[in-house]
Amino acid sequence: GDQVEQSPSALSLHEGTGSALRCNFTTTMRAVQWFRKNSRGSLINLFYLASGTKENGRLKSAFDSKERYSTLHIRDAQLEDSGTYFCAAEDITGNTGKLIFGLGTTLQVQP
Amino acid sequence: EAAVTQSPRNKVAVTGGKVTLSCNQTNNHNNMYWYRQDTGHGLRLIHYSYGAGSTEKGDIPDGYKASRPSQENFSLILELATPSQTSVYFCASGASYEQYFGPGTRLTVL
Repeated sequence: GDQVEQSPSALSLHEGTGSALRCNFTTTMRAVQWFRKNSRGSLINLFYLASGTKENGRLKSAFDSKERYSTLHIRDAQLEDSGTYFCAAEDITGNTGKLIFGLGTTLQVQP
Repeated sequence: EAAVTQSPRNKVAVTGGKVTLSCNQTNNHNNMYWYRQDTGHGLRLIHYSYGAGSTEKGDIPDGYKASRPSQENFSLILELATPSQTSVYFCASGASYEQYFGPGTRLTVL
């Protein structure tokens, strides 16, 4: 939505390479979550961050509430990383647990 | 591991028919949510709930009702389904701000 601007909208990588996805927020967010929608349509919860960085395998995410952005870095991309990646965040003024989603980044990893 | 299940996984309905999508969570989370996901829109919140007996309107509630009869179950009801409601629907549960999603239900309204 308008409060969460996700880029790029589409990304193509060769196996073994890496890149970064980014979400910019138009307002201060409490926390951010990153998801991957896989080929079966399921949403996989990748990260939840209230601040700082987290790393899990070949994925690393950072969230800066003050600077209003979050990133998701993918290194050594594999074919199974293909899918649509969403970031979602909650406005700091809210207390409902409602998430505001970006429009997603469609990642295609090629051999 | 958080566990949220949805049924059915796929549904084809006719215009004007009633559709009920069910969601069950075993996380004992107070909050539950229904979203729909359409290309170009990300996920949009339809209804949510703070606990058994509670339902709240989300950002796009028109044409949908919700029911939370227990902590574990949260249903989304389309009383008169329309083709514009063809979408993928996701249920989620959460204790605070982190949400755990079900596998999704693909609904096609003909």
